[in-house]
Amino acid sequence: RKEVEQDPGPFNVPEGATVAFNCTYSNSASQSFFWYRQDCRKEPKLLMSVYSSGNEDGRFTAQLNRASQYISLLIRDSKLSDSATYLCAVNGFSGGYNKLIFGAGTRLAVHP
Amino acid sequence: DADVTQTPRNRITKTGKRIMLECSQTKGHDRMYWYRQDPGLGLRLIYYSFDVKDINKGEISDGYSVSRQAQAKFSLSLESAIPNQTALYFCATSEGNYNEQFFGPGTRLTVL
Repeated sequence: RKEVEQDPGPFNVPEGATVAFNCTYSNSASQSFFWYRQDCRKEPKLLMSVYSSGNEDGRFTAQLNRASQYISLLIRDSKLSDSATYLCAVNGFSGGYNKLIFGAGTRLAVHP
Repeated sequence: DADVTQTPRNRITKTGKRIMLECSQTKGHDRMYWYRQDPGLGLRLIYYSFDVKDINKGEISDGYSVSRQAQAKFSLSLESAIPNQTALYFCATSEGNYNEQFFGPGTRLTVL
C-alpha cells in the first residue's frame, strides 16, 4: 500500500460545479498535511495547509479526518482557471527525520 | 524575484555525461530537498539536507549525489547520466518540523 494515495482522475466538471478530492494516508502518526496545486510542467504551489479543525480559503475548503486517515479538498463554484493537478502531501517521521510524502495527484479539468 | 531558483531550466545531454543541477534560495530556510517527477509517479525524494553538515538519502538516491555548499545552495549531480534519469527535477525548501515546502521552478532534463 502506498503511503499516500489519491484518485488520479481526471475529474471533468462544468464551470460552477462543486468538486471534492480525497487523499488517504497510511501513517497514523502523521502530524501535518497540505494541498498543493500543480499546473502542467510547473512547480507545485502550496494551496492550503490542513488543520485539524478544517479550514477554508474562499472557494476552497480542506478537512482532516484522523480516524479514517484521509484529508479532503472541496472546491466550490469551479472556475476554468482551477484546471490543474492537485497534490496532497503528508508529513511524518521516518528514519529519524520528518519527511513530506506526496500523492501522485488528482487531475481536474473544468470546462465551459 | 523568485525565492527558490534552479539552473538550468532545461537541459538535453547524452548518456554517460556528468550533469549538475543547481538550486539557490533566498528564503533563509535550513532545509533543502531534491525531487524528481515522472508522469504517473508523483514526486519522489532523491536527497535532502537539514543543514550544511547534514545530507541524507531519499527513496531514489542511486545514480545521484548532492552537495550543500552553503545554507542557500544545494546542487544535484548525475555522475554518469542514463536515459531513465530523464525527468522533471525540483528543488524545495522548508523550515521547522511542520515541513511546509516551497518549490523552485524545476529543471527539465532529457538524457539521450
